[in-house]
Amino acid sequence: DQQVKQNSPSLSVQEGRISILNCDYTNSMFDYFLWYKKYPAEGPTFLISISSIKDKNEDGRFTVFLNKSAKHLSLHIVPSQPGDSAVYFCAASRLEMNRDDKIIFGKGTRLHILP
Amino acid sequence: DSGVTQTPKHLITATGQRVTLRCSPRSGDLSVYWYQQSLDQGLQFLIQYYNGEERAKGNILERFSAQQFPDLHSELNLSSLELGDSALYFCASSHPVAGSLRAKNIQYFGAGTRLSVL
Repeated sequence: DQQVKQNSPSLSVQEGRISILNCDYTNSMFDYFLWYKKYPAEGPTFLISISSIKDKNEDGRFTVFLNKSAKHLSLHIVPSQPGDSAVYFCAASRLEMNRDDKIIFGKGTRLHILP
Repeated sequence: DSGVTQTPKHLITATGQRVTLRCSPRSGDLSVYWYQQSLDQGLQFLIQYYNGEERAKGNILERFSAQQFPDLHSELNLSSLELGDSALYFCASSHPVAGSLRAKNIQYFGAGTRLSVL
């Protein structure tokens, strides 16, 4: 049972345009969400996060939107740059994690920024 | 550089063998996590250690085991290897910072160990 789903395995966007990566979750107990970015031959690196008390969090070119009723979040990158080409993982957890709680990752979306 | 070190970077071995993957967390981080990433799969959580004690278990096979040592480095042992165990294995670390709930959920990943079982 996939609790965090990234339904688009890949996405191609023209340089300078907006990239929108989507993520859906099923567990209503999740209240903290993260996006990680991964380049080839490197480990994932933390990009941006949002807690369920907010519906938007912005950091430079990156904005994450959270729609709790739809159990959906999205990552917007504006404007897209060649260096943004990478795999993006969505992850979900509880902000106050108990012993058995885990951070659940989606399968990732590969973003290609076209020149 | 995340500050998390994983060795070796690549490992090629045969079915039935046993290997050990090593992880040194960021300085000061008490939690270590192990993940497996197979082809076209996301990051599958295997196991977490906190300050030497097992904290949480995910989809870890019985043939796999891990431990965290007093100096906080961790090892993941994979035995009776099968072809399907070929994957990228990532280690991550985090630090529970008092008064900063968000920070403790952010994990810092190593570059991974690519295991090929032939």
